[in-house]
Amino acid sequence: QVHLVESGGGVVQPGRSLRLSCEASGFSFSKYGMHWVRQAPGKGLEWVMFVSYDGAYMKNADSVQGRFTISRDNSKNTLYLEMNTLRPEDTAVYYCAKEKAENGSWVFDSWGQGTLVTVSS
Amino acid sequence: AIQMTQSPSSLSASVGDRVTITCRASQGIRNDLGWYQQKPGKGPKLLIYAAFNLQSGVPSRFSGSASGTEFTLTISSLQPEDVATYYCLQDYNYPRTFGQGTKVEIK
Repeated sequence: QVHLVESGGGVVQPGRSLRLSCEASGFSFSKYGMHWVRQAPGKGLEWVMFVSYDGAYMKNADSVQGRFTISRDNSKNTLYLEMNTLRPEDTAVYYCAKEKAENGSWVFDSWGQGTLVTVSS
Repeated sequence: AIQMTQSPSSLSASVGDRVTITCRASQGIRNDLGWYQQKPGKGPKLLIYAAFNLQSGVPSRFSGSASGTEFTLTISSLQPEDVATYYCLQDYNYPRTFGQGTKVEIK
């Protein structure tokens, strides 16, 4: 059974940094692309970043361009999100999600429970 | 970026009612669209992929359809456990974009 567990959230001051982790189990982590998706309090879902199965290819939302970095360590079955120069508008629950190819579509077939990041002075 | 316009933002229906939720894409996305269900305090769950295909384990009362750039999620007979917020997500290109969400409640 696929299991994704995010950690590393907390309260941080504007301008500071934070690193989130997503520990994966129950599947061959090194074979799948992974995403980060966030949800501000009371708001909808916002896609943040993607990394390919081997870490060679990445994509990001404009809102985090130049501030956030996605990476993975396949030897540790762990996905990371390095967040720098944090802003109050980055306050959200951050979810990691596993990607899978289905009928030519790229679906997010498994999600974690999320970790809350609060950016506040 | 492709914009996904989802409607309605909320709805209230009785148990057993047929419920429809719509997403319209700002440009053609083929059938590269999924529907996700999110219950309070939980991560989202995949219901439908590639516009029409039911994810394994999802009840058959959920179905998806498409016409051009308009996509529809239908719950054929609303059940109490379907209370949740539903989102569409286009996987045609990057950045991935979600609809604004539809909160479904029981009347």
